[in-house]
Amino acid sequence: QKEVEQDPGPLSVPEGAIVSLNCTYSNSAFQYFMWYRQYSRKGPELLMYTYSSGNKEDGRFTAQVDKSSKYISLFIRDSQPSDSATYLCAMDQFYFGTGTSLTVIP
Amino acid sequence: EAGVAQSPRYKIIEKRQSVAFWCNPISGHATLYWYQQILGQGPKLLIQFQNNGVVDDSQLPKDRFSAERLKGVDSTLKIQPAKLEDSAVYLCASSLGSLAGAVYEQYFGPGTRLTVT
Repeated sequence: QKEVEQDPGPLSVPEGAIVSLNCTYSNSAFQYFMWYRQYSRKGPELLMYTYSSGNKEDGRFTAQVDKSSKYISLFIRDSQPSDSATYLCAMDQFYFGTGTSLTVIP
Repeated sequence: EAGVAQSPRYKIIEKRQSVAFWCNPISGHATLYWYQQILGQGPKLLIQFQNNGVVDDSQLPKDRFSAERLKGVDSTLKIQPAKLEDSAVYLCASSLGSLAGAVYEQYFGPGTRLTVT
């Protein structure tokens, strides 16, 4: 079993939709939960991170962590074509999921 | 602020050949990381430097991969000899620091796409 599991998609949504991206993990010792965005032919860029459980909001993005279920989510409200990218979750900075490819259709 | 620079951007070599990648981190960043990202997978940490010392190289295949960070700034990653399974994007990242128990944002370069034929 991989330490971090992420549905690779691809996910395709119309512009303005709410997007839900998810990861599960097996190591209960993880404390930091990150979300990265990676555009094609680019390196990942950090969107936001959360320490321990709870929610964090930044503009159209909301990250949620449920440590009891070992489950994290990223919600994107009012999705835009510019959100089209691969979204990677990461635990404690170094344990990455495989990424979910998202396309927002105008 | 200039970002993390990497070169070359693309490289095609035959198996058993050697190859080297170069990384210039963001000025003032003490910590430098090399990752391997195979198509369809997340980045895998190969090695982490703090200034010019190695912090973690537990996932670096040391029989064929080597890395150095002379003078605590630029870094090179070498593969010798290359295998087909080394085909991947090699990402360099840097951060201000790397204290245990703290999060320092990693800034990634664009990567070097290696194809081994």
